[in-house]
Amino acid sequence: QVQLKESGPGLVQPSQTLSLTCTVSGLSLTSNSVSWIRQPPGKGLEWMGVIWSNGGTDYNSAIKSRLSISRDTSKSQVFLKMNSLQTEDTAMYFCARNTPPEADYFDYWGQGVMVTVSS
Amino acid sequence: IMLTQSPATLSVTPGESISLSCRASQSISTNLHWYQQKPNESPRVLIKYASQSISGIPSRFSGSGSGTDFTLNINRVEPEDFSVYYCQQSNSWPWTFGGGTKLELK
Repeated sequence: QVQLKESGPGLVQPSQTLSLTCTVSGLSLTSNSVSWIRQPPGKGLEWMGVIWSNGGTDYNSAIKSRLSISRDTSKSQVFLKMNSLQTEDTAMYFCARNTPPEADYFDYWGQGVMVTVSS
Repeated sequence: IMLTQSPATLSVTPGESISLSCRASQSISTNLHWYQQKPNESPRVLIKYASQSISGIPSRFSGSGSGTDFTLNINRVEPEDFSVYYCQQSNSWPWTFGGGTKLELK
């Protein structure tokens, strides 16, 4: 069955870089696209960016200058890197599969990883 | 594109039938999807492309609308339906979510 699982540090200092990993099983990254979506505590959802099945990427313009998404298909992993973190980046970070074939909504989600930006 | 959901909170009793609204700041055709999120869980997709059903989702959930006005209907709310509902548009970059409607027990 399809599963996604996020991992990464729970605490990041302001101005530092966040690195998260999404490990997938039950699907191939060469035929599936994966997005990162975040949710500040008690607030709504923000789509951050996507890595397409062909390896191309698209990012939310609001954070594009700070964000990078990549993958290692051999390890079934998708990576998120975001620099210059501030307290407002404190959130639960989810990876989710973009449902094929349209790939513009999300059917499988990871459990999320909570990231706190604090000194 | 901004998505405005209303009401922010809706208090109902089990067995009631309800409608939740999602309004887009400009036309998004039917590129609108609905999710349910229970506390401390990941979102679950309920409806795709405004009105298309999703396999495994109870038939009491239905959607309608096009352009800028969309509705999620729940026919006879069940106890397990009390959660937060989000809409999401995929018509224009960046994809955006509404602020959510919390469905709570009256």
